[in-house]
Amino acid sequence: QVQLQESGPGLVKPSETLSLTCTVSGGSISSYYWSWIRQPAGKGLEWIGRIYTSGSTNYNPSLKSRVTMSVDTSKNQFSLKLSSVTAADTAVYYCARAYIVGAHNWFDRWGQGTLVTVSS
Amino acid sequence: SYELTQPPSVSVSPGQTASITCSGDKLGDKYACWYQQKPGQSPVLVIYQDTKRPSGIPERFSGSNSGNTATLTISGTQAMDEADYYCQAWHSSTVVFGGGTKLTVL
Repeated sequence: QVQLQESGPGLVKPSETLSLTCTVSGGSISSYYWSWIRQPAGKGLEWIGRIYTSGSTNYNPSLKSRVTMSVDTSKNQFSLKLSSVTAADTAVYYCARAYIVGAHNWFDRWGQGTLVTVSS
Repeated sequence: SYELTQPPSVSVSPGQTASITCSGDKLGDKYACWYQQKPGQSPVLVIYQDTKRPSGIPERFSGSNSGNTATLTISGTQAMDEADYYCQAWHSSTVVFGGGTKLTVL
């Protein structure tokens, strides 16, 4: 059974860069799309972007200028960097496996989520 | 940008049928999926490709999608189904989530 685990600092200062890594276990990271999704406390889900194991990416247009995703197939990991963070970026960040069929994308595996707080 | 609209809340009595809608422009021309999220937990996929149930999801969960509206239906709703539900679709190379619906089982 594929499992995902987010890791990274729980506290980031305003204007700095948020960095998170998702480690995939129980299966290969290859040949799948992998996504980051976040959820501010008490609010809904927001898709940040996705990366294929080739390195191809799609980002949420509202965050695109600040987001960078990368993948390391040798470590079965993929990563998120979000620059110039503000308090509005405080949220639980989830990594998820994206299953793609044609023009449909759904998330069949999720990590447990990690809370990132932006504060000085 | 593309938007998916869900009612903020839906209430249902135990054993009855709950219907949660998700509206978007020509949503029926796309595929929709649904996630269940209980407090403090990660979302769980309950419906994908409009009508399909992942392994392990009870048969009481079903979905449909036509016109501008996708619907998640829970038949014989149980107390354990009380949760937030989110619809999701793919539009112009981006993932779009609905705002979520809190299902209360009274």
